Amino acid sequence: QSALTQPASVSGSPGQSITISCTGSNSDVGSYNLVSWYQHLPGKAPKLMIYQDNKRPSAVSDRFSGSKSGNTASLTISGLQAEDEADYYCWSYAGSNYYVFGTGTKVTVL
Amino acid sequence: QLQLQESGPGLVKPSETLSLTCTVSGGSVSSGYYYWAWIRQPPGKGLEWIGFISYSGNTFYNRSLKSRVTVSLDTSKNQFSLKLSSVTAADTAVYYCASLLHSGHFDYWGHGTLVTVSS
Repeated sequence: QSALTQPASVSGSPGQSITISCTGSNSDVGSYNLVSWYQHLPGKAPKLMIYQDNKRPSAVSDRFSGSKSGNTASLTISGLQAEDEADYYCWSYAGSNYYVFGTGTKVTVL
Repeated sequence: QLQLQESGPGLVKPSETLSLTCTVSGGSVSSGYYYWAWIRQPPGKGLEWIGFISYSGNTFYNRSLKSRVTVSLDTSKNQFSLKLSSVTAADTAVYYCASLLHSGHFDYWGHGTLVTVSS
């Protein structure tokens, strides 16, 4: 099972919207509504941003949204802010109690 | 809410066994609500899941590490543990423990602990 493919980096100016893709296969992303997204700041524990493809925990800003089309899940950050600068990882169920992480994307706020 | 805390040696010699413990507070490792997971991040690289264990002791491992990994549960201490044998420098990483819901996402994480493999 290979890691899910994410762009290495995405950047945007404050106030803009950016989208991070997470491409898998019909064995993982495409087969289950179980993609979640995590924000990871250096020296901190990862933080859940989106779960079950598009659900947002109550404590997470509504500027973060998740979607999926076929074998590709996406995380969109609207109204980009300096505090959003971090690494982002997707995570998907792949069947038979097996999971896979994405390769990770570094978000830079210009 | 749950709190998880990793503990264990920060330095392990090559070929030896890395051992870490995660202490859970605010909930019970005997709860059927969670799996208990280990994840790591080597320096400059991405997150990699290692394995997880159910409240009943069923274990599930990343195929790439399966031959060297053991995850176990100690309900009397409300802890779960990781053992990784025959370590090399490639096992140097920050190791995290986390709670994994049956709906497939992590909701609580420890702060992580750096383990360096070096002689």
